[in-house]
Amino acid sequence: RKEVEQDPGPFNVPEGATVAFNCTYSNSASQSFFWYRQDCRKEPKLLMSVYSSGNEDGRFTAQLNRASQYISLLIRDSKLSDSATYLCVLDTGGFKTIFGAGTRLFVKA
Amino acid sequence: ETGVTQTPRHLVMGMTNKKSLKCEQHLGHNAMYWYKQSAKKPLELMFVYNFKEQTENNSVPSRFSPECPNSSHLFLHLHTLQPEDSALYLCASSQGQGDEKLFFGSGTQLSVL
Repeated sequence: RKEVEQDPGPFNVPEGATVAFNCTYSNSASQSFFWYRQDCRKEPKLLMSVYSSGNEDGRFTAQLNRASQYISLLIRDSKLSDSATYLCVLDTGGFKTIFGAGTRLFVKA
Repeated sequence: ETGVTQTPRHLVMGMTNKKSLKCEQHLGHNAMYWYKQSAKKPLELMFVYNFKEQTENNSVPSRFSPECPNSSHLFLHLHTLQPEDSALYLCASSQGQGDEKLFFGSGTQLSVL
């Protein structure tokens, strides 16, 4: 089983739609969780950290469910500029950061 | 501008060549990383240095040799590479104090002929 599993997509949604991604992980000792965003031919950039209590940053909401070992990302009111690959990332401690393969999102006008 | 700069942006080399990738961070971080990203695959962690000391070597072939002379600079020395080593090589840094948020450079797109 992969350490981090994501639906590769692509998700094709119209502008203004709400879209959600899930990610499951296998290492129950994982300590920190993140969502990164990667545009085509660019480097990954941190989007937000993910906490058990849930956290929100503008149109983006992230949630962690430790019992079921998954994290989620919700994007409301999608913009064309949200088109990218979203990477689920775990920090298992000792500087070992594990990336999922990513979920591709296309937002259409 | 991410504060992490990598050179060169693109590199084409033959299997018998020796080349080096360079990374420099201006964020005052203590940890630096090399990742490999192949097409349609997740980022693969190669090496980690924390306070100049190597803390992770993820079963990387010896034809890849890292060097970290100080907390701001990281090199990846390449020799006798194979065509399957063609990929995007990304450098990253983090504070090195837990809850490691990574800041990436733009990467070096490497092609091995």
